[in-house]
Amino acid sequence: ILNVEQSPQSLHVQEGDSTNFTCSFPSSNFYALHWYRWETAKSPEALFVMTLNGDEKKKGRISATLNTKEGYSYLYIKGSQPEDSATYLCAFPHSGNTPLVFGKGTRLSVIA
Amino acid sequence: ETGVTQSPTHLIKTRGQQVTLRCSSQSGHNTVSWYQQALGQGPQFIFQYYREEENGRGNFPPRFSGLQFPNYSSELNVNALELDDSALYLCASSPSPSTRYEQYFGPGTRLTVT
Repeated sequence: ILNVEQSPQSLHVQEGDSTNFTCSFPSSNFYALHWYRWETAKSPEALFVMTLNGDEKKKGRISATLNTKEGYSYLYIKGSQPEDSATYLCAFPHSGNTPLVFGKGTRLSVIA
Repeated sequence: ETGVTQSPTHLIKTRGQQVTLRCSSQSGHNTVSWYQQALGQGPQFIFQYYREEENGRGNFPPRFSGLQFPNYSSELNVNALELDDSALYLCASSPSPSTRYEQYFGPGTRLTVT
């Protein structure tokens, strides 16, 4: 059974704080890792698809790193804002043609 | 916004009934995946359609079935509803079945079975 673990489960930070959270996945047969942001009452929105060990991707104040050998990815948010409040999901497929397996998400609340 | 829409937004059904949920994908996306999200869990894969054919199925019974149409719309049908089918159902479209492409999600349909 393929397990994708995310930690912490939830996080409360003050506006302006930087924060990070983790996605762990099986390190064998890596193909890709997805990060999504899901705001309440909206559609999950793709942030990054990462495919190479050592990948670093950035979108505004959000960045992600990938370590396929040890099986983890970090998502960083610099200078958190209230609009960053959302659930952040990672998802991992066994291969190019197998479905995405999602973690349970990290729920971030940014307090103004 | 992702350009993917779902209908209805909410639905209440009785155990044993049948339900059809609808999804409209982004234009040009030939792949649609359906997920079930139970409370406190991540989305769980139900099945995927690629060019109107089923292209993979998760651990769901045959009473969960789907259709994909040439006009980028698709359906999820659930027969003989059970209480445990109460969940948020998400569809996601992509330009390819390859998981190196990001998926574009709809906002979901909240199904309650009583």
